[in-house]
Amino acid sequence: EPEVTQTPSHQVTQMGQEVILRCVPISNHLYFYWYRQILGQKVEFLVSFYNNEISEKSEIFDDQFSVERPDGSNFTLKIRSTKLEDSAMYFCASSVQGHGLSNQPQHFGDGTRLSIL
Amino acid sequence: RKEVEQDPGPFNVPEGATVAFNCTYSNSASQSFFWYRQDCRKEPKLLMSVYSSGNEDGRFTAQLNRASQYISLLIRDSKLSDSATYLCVVKAAGNKLTFGGGTRVLVKP
Repeated sequence: EPEVTQTPSHQVTQMGQEVILRCVPISNHLYFYWYRQILGQKVEFLVSFYNNEISEKSEIFDDQFSVERPDGSNFTLKIRSTKLEDSAMYFCASSVQGHGLSNQPQHFGDGTRLSIL
Repeated sequence: RKEVEQDPGPFNVPEGATVAFNCTYSNSASQSFFWYRQDCRKEPKLLMSVYSSGNEDGRFTAQLNRASQYISLLIRDSKLSDSATYLCVVKAAGNKLTFGGGTRVLVKP
């Protein structure tokens, strides 16, 4: 069964440093997402991406965050200057369709644990 | 009011028993509904989509009540492997999924 893959599985970074999290969505999927889950809290939406642009973003996704699809397969999340509160599990997801009444589910990768020191 | 609210549990369930729990959502414009399960420190995995008429997938039955804005999940003949956190997930017209905090289920022998 095709799956979303994420690298690295664990990233440890000093506060203030830039970090790039990588994802390879399922190959025929057109919509891509990033979510995060702070330890002990619920999963929170960050951003969705379609047709090479952001289609929706949350209040969490401020100017320190950016996303990119640099080639035909990778989808990346960059945090420009990390803060302690960015420590969380970051999940990438993808779906065949996204908008409107689509009931197409989103499939999640196994996450990158980001630890900011 | 939280967008998606769930009883955190834990629900302690004897193996073979039935367990049911609900979630409520606040956005009346919500269009799509799902149950995901999450094992400790793992990714959410789709358990089932929830349809207006209710639907069943093996031992799992999901119901949707749009008037009262709640979704339910029932697990029959619980297995030890059903122990997990069950996430109620709602989507409005946009792209984002809104997650509940999860209901923890512990199935014991």
